[in-house]
Amino acid sequence: AAGVIQSPRHLIKEKRETATLKCYPIPRHDTVYWYQQGPGQDPQFLISFYEKMQSDKGSIPDRFSAQQFSDYHSELNMSSLELGDSALYFCASSLGRGANVLTFGAGSRLTVL
Amino acid sequence: EDQVTQSPEALRLQEGESSSLNCSYTVSGLRGLFWYRQDPGKGPEFLFTLYSAGEEKEKERLKATLTKKESFLHITAPKPEDSATYLCAVQASKSGGSYIPTFGRGTSLIVHP
Repeated sequence: AAGVIQSPRHLIKEKRETATLKCYPIPRHDTVYWYQQGPGQDPQFLISFYEKMQSDKGSIPDRFSAQQFSDYHSELNMSSLELGDSALYFCASSLGRGANVLTFGAGSRLTVL
Repeated sequence: EDQVTQSPEALRLQEGESSSLNCSYTVSGLRGLFWYRQDPGKGPEFLFTLYSAGEEKEKERLKATLTKKESFLHITAPKPEDSATYLCAVQASKSGGSYIPTFGRGTSLIVHP
């Protein structure tokens, strides 16, 4: 069965650079969530989209932005990167905003030097 | 604010040594409590959803239970392949139809052969 696909899997950037992470949800899933997980930390909710519209907003920095496209894939854009942005970024998808099971991708590991 | 506290942070077991992981939660109206398994460098993988106090779910060597304040993940006769971080998450009943899960920090389980 198709899963949530994230790319790239690994990314190394310098401070103040920009980065873009991509997420392709499970086919027919209409809701995408982005989470950030620092080393030894719980996944922190950043932002979600339902039917290409922003649905919920969590602890996403102003330097970050995201969108969901017509094919339901989503991109997380991160600018003016800081050392503290180094983390695993997970995308998850579900069918509907009220879904109680999220399917997660394998994550994108961002390292900021 | 929804809160999830998991204990212990880390647990080392010998193969076959049964134990339990705890997830204490504070939420205004529980819609669902979830257990996920996370292997290093990978996204969380869904295990169980529990909806009401007294409910139990089982899968192989794992059994999840729920009370009004906490959930337990019981591991019976664990094997080395059960080694992973186990995450608990809660979903609150909120107006507007959005239900973003709040995660705990997880319990890192290592099962020695």
